[in-house]
Amino acid sequence: AQSVTQLGSHVSVSEGALVLLRCNYSSSVPPYLFWYVQYPNQGLQLLLKYTSAATLVKGINGFEAEFKKSETSFHLTKPSAHMSDAAEYFCAVTYNQGGKLIFGQGTELSVKP
Amino acid sequence: DTAVSQTPKYLVTQMGNDKSIKCEQNLGHDTMYWYKQDSKKFLKIMFSYNNKELIINETVPNRFSPKSPDKAHLNLHINSLELGDSAVYFCASSPWTGGQYNEQFFGPGTRLTVL
Repeated sequence: AQSVTQLGSHVSVSEGALVLLRCNYSSSVPPYLFWYVQYPNQGLQLLLKYTSAATLVKGINGFEAEFKKSETSFHLTKPSAHMSDAAEYFCAVTYNQGGKLIFGQGTELSVKP
Repeated sequence: DTAVSQTPKYLVTQMGNDKSIKCEQNLGHDTMYWYKQDSKKFLKIMFSYNNKELIINETVPNRFSPKSPDKAHLNLHINSLELGDSAVYFCASSPWTGGQYNEQFFGPGTRLTVL
């Protein structure tokens, strides 16, 4: 079955440090890939998406992700964390099966002063 | 504002009751969805509609019945509510261009608590 795995349910970084949130998908067929962010008591906001164009994708708020087919990965990075980045981050894939998004378990990012 | 909106934001009810959640999008999208987020924040699709037609029904109990009166609305009616239905329900929409589905835009969520 198609699935998405986010390594680490909770990641803590210091303000100004590198943010790295890991995402791996399980399929030999490259999917469309997304990263969403959820702030407390809010809906999901799209950070960035990969749809088979450039493998390095830049998103909002300084985030970027690199699609690596050989590693079936789509890790999210940000060079310098800000306090406002503290939130829940979800990696998701779709194979266009009616637009069904398959989500990872989520990673809660904490940013320490 | 252009967005996906849901009402109500909070819903507290007793077991056995019937309740509805409404969703509207003014983005001009063709496809709408319902997702359930459980207490561990895991998100799973329940339904999707494209141009008012049901596309996905992800083995959701019959007590859940989506209704799409037009492309801009997708409502969720739940009969005989159970404790396990307590969750946050998100509505989403996406454009459908050239036969491809695109990123989904999410509503703010409805937190359902069944007592």
